[in-house]
Amino acid sequence: GQNIDQPTEMTATEGAIVQINCTYQTSGFNGLFWYQQHAGEAPTFLSYNVLDGLEEKGRFSSFLSRSKGYSYLLLKELQMKDSASYLCAVVIYNQGGKLIFGQGTELSVKP
Amino acid sequence: ETGVTQTPRHLVMGMTNKKSLKCEQHLGHNAMYWYKQSAKKPLELMFVYSLEERVENNSVPSRFSPECPNSSHLFLHLHTLQPEDSALYLCASSQAGLGSGANVLTFGAGSRLTVL
Repeated sequence: GQNIDQPTEMTATEGAIVQINCTYQTSGFNGLFWYQQHAGEAPTFLSYNVLDGLEEKGRFSSFLSRSKGYSYLLLKELQMKDSASYLCAVVIYNQGGKLIFGQGTELSVKP
Repeated sequence: ETGVTQTPRHLVMGMTNKKSLKCEQHLGHNAMYWYKQSAKKPLELMFVYSLEERVENNSVPSRFSPECPNSSHLFLHLHTLQPEDSALYLCASSQAGLGSGANVLTFGAGSRLTVL
């Protein structure tokens, strides 16, 4: 079976750094996505990792370790607008590129 | 309009009603998807259309019936739904369909469905 785990909720302070972890056990792997979803809005693409290592994009960075089945999303200099749900999704190669999502991590940024 | 547009944004229906959800993408993408998002649960893939051909039907009950008349439009026809079908239904599109490696999905804002 396919299993993707993320913490359900996290709280952090404005200006701080927060790391959201995602672990996966899947049959087949062709990359991992992070999406951001504000309440009542569409999920929007943040990052895609297929090789091991860190990808940096402004205040957001995403890391992948394929051997450990582990990824994290790092958010720096947190702003109130970063309060949202963060979705981890794995591309299952042997299922034709299907995306399997985790349940999402609800991040609350407090002043 | 740009991106992926879904209508209606909110829908309340009885168990015997027939209604439809509509999705339109203005991105020139070749694949469109329906996902179900329930509270505290992962997004569940329901259907995938690639170049207007259904390529994925994820064991979805027959009371949900998709239709893709062209590459820009996708419908989800609803009939005799159950209260447990109440959820947010998200439409998405991508440049290429399943089998083309990793695709960045562009989502619509969703249709919030409540079944009474």
